[in-house]
Amino acid sequence: DTGVSQNPRHKITKRGQNVTFRCDPISEHNRLYWYRQTLGQGPEFLTYFQNEAQLEKSRLLSDRFSAERPKGSFSTLEIQRTEQGDSAMYLCASSPIFHTQYFGPGTRLTVL
Amino acid sequence: AQKVTQAQTEISVVEKEDVTLDCVYETRDTTYYLFWYKQPPSGELVFLIRRNSFDEQNEISGRYSWNFQKSTSSFNFTITASQVVDSAVYFCALSEALIQGAQKLVFGQGTRLTINP
Repeated sequence: DTGVSQNPRHKITKRGQNVTFRCDPISEHNRLYWYRQTLGQGPEFLTYFQNEAQLEKSRLLSDRFSAERPKGSFSTLEIQRTEQGDSAMYLCASSPIFHTQYFGPGTRLTVL
Repeated sequence: AQKVTQAQTEISVVEKEDVTLDCVYETRDTTYYLFWYKQPPSGELVFLIRRNSFDEQNEISGRYSWNFQKSTSSFNFTITASQVVDSAVYFCALSEALIQGAQKLVFGQGTRLTINP
């Protein structure tokens, strides 16, 4: 399977804990995006990487959130000091140079 | 700012009926892309179609067809002879330019489609 993969698929954590999610894009896709989807809503853009450079961040991405893409391959999204409002599905997408984004299965985060 | 409106929150039809999902968008860009994605219960967003703003030709792919009308800023999606496997949440999305030629997607709220046997 050469699609976008994300791990873990589900994460339950207690408020105040740190969590980290991983995204493996389709190989040779140089663009990688993170989105967040809350219940009953469409996904919302969080951040974008071109190769290893993080080029755009949404205002939704508070200073408790950090994302990396070392060596332009997989990416990680870390949330520090989680809050109940962080409960959502975190989606990763990748694209080649032109436009169509292909999404992974997402990581569903529940903060108790 | 870009905006996508999917006014139909939920639609329920009986199998084999035709169903149309509406999508209306707002943009000031002259060049943009429109998309439809399907999200089954498993959660993964499945790409269905991309249409650029210069191409207003309707497209048909099997039981799926798309009607793009720039004059009314609409990009509607029709499923002909619906099947139970078509049950999912469908999202319409509009591209918004980022730096260095990349595009982020602005999604509508989605339409939950239920096909009853």
